[in-house]
Amino acid sequence: AQSVTQPDIHITVSEGASLELRCNYSYGATPYLFWYVQSPGQGLQLLLKYFSGDTLVQGIKGFEAEFKRSQSSFNLRKPSVHWSDAAEYFCAVGDNYGQNFVFGPGTRLSVLP
Amino acid sequence: SQTIHQWPATLVQPVGSPLSLECTVEGTSNPNLYWYRQAAGRGLQLLFYSVGIGQISSEVPQNLSASRPQDRQFILSSKKLLLSDSGFYLCAWNTDRGTEAFFGQGTRLTVV
Repeated sequence: AQSVTQPDIHITVSEGASLELRCNYSYGATPYLFWYVQSPGQGLQLLLKYFSGDTLVQGIKGFEAEFKRSQSSFNLRKPSVHWSDAAEYFCAVGDNYGQNFVFGPGTRLSVLP
Repeated sequence: SQTIHQWPATLVQPVGSPLSLECTVEGTSNPNLYWYRQAAGRGLQLLFYSVGIGQISSEVPQNLSASRPQDRQFILSSKKLLLSDSGFYLCAWNTDRGTEAFFGQGTRLTVV
């Protein structure tokens, strides 16, 4: 079974600074990888996904993530953080049957003005 | 287009009372359906998933059960709620072959 770790529980950055949220996964086959964002009291919104092909994927709201098979990582990045990016971010891995998603514990992002 | 509906949005229930949370999906057929729970300050825990009518897989032993009486309906139930059942419950769906999961807006359950 697959698993996901997000080493950082809480990250604080200043507005305008760059951001990188870490995600490591464990899965025996080629993974399907996702990043979701959750605002307080809301459901989850998909930021981006990786299925195959180019290992650098672009998402919504200026986010991107890079799949590194050798490191079993799928880190999320943004060059300049906005105050509205403050939220909880979840990395997820799905199996290739699309029937089992596992989420990481989440990283809470705070943005300082 | 596909949409997912989850209700109620908030619920306060006494300990020992029953529970029924409903989730329906529109605009697709034979979806995979999921129930997740998010406890305060914690990540998402997969509770149940279903790949078809009447087919339920449970990920963790607990006080809850799930049913799928129709193709696009997924129900989370409990006969007697515990304080530890409090949390944020999310329903999600996807199709086969590794597509992303789409989430409902969640139900905030407080057991008092």
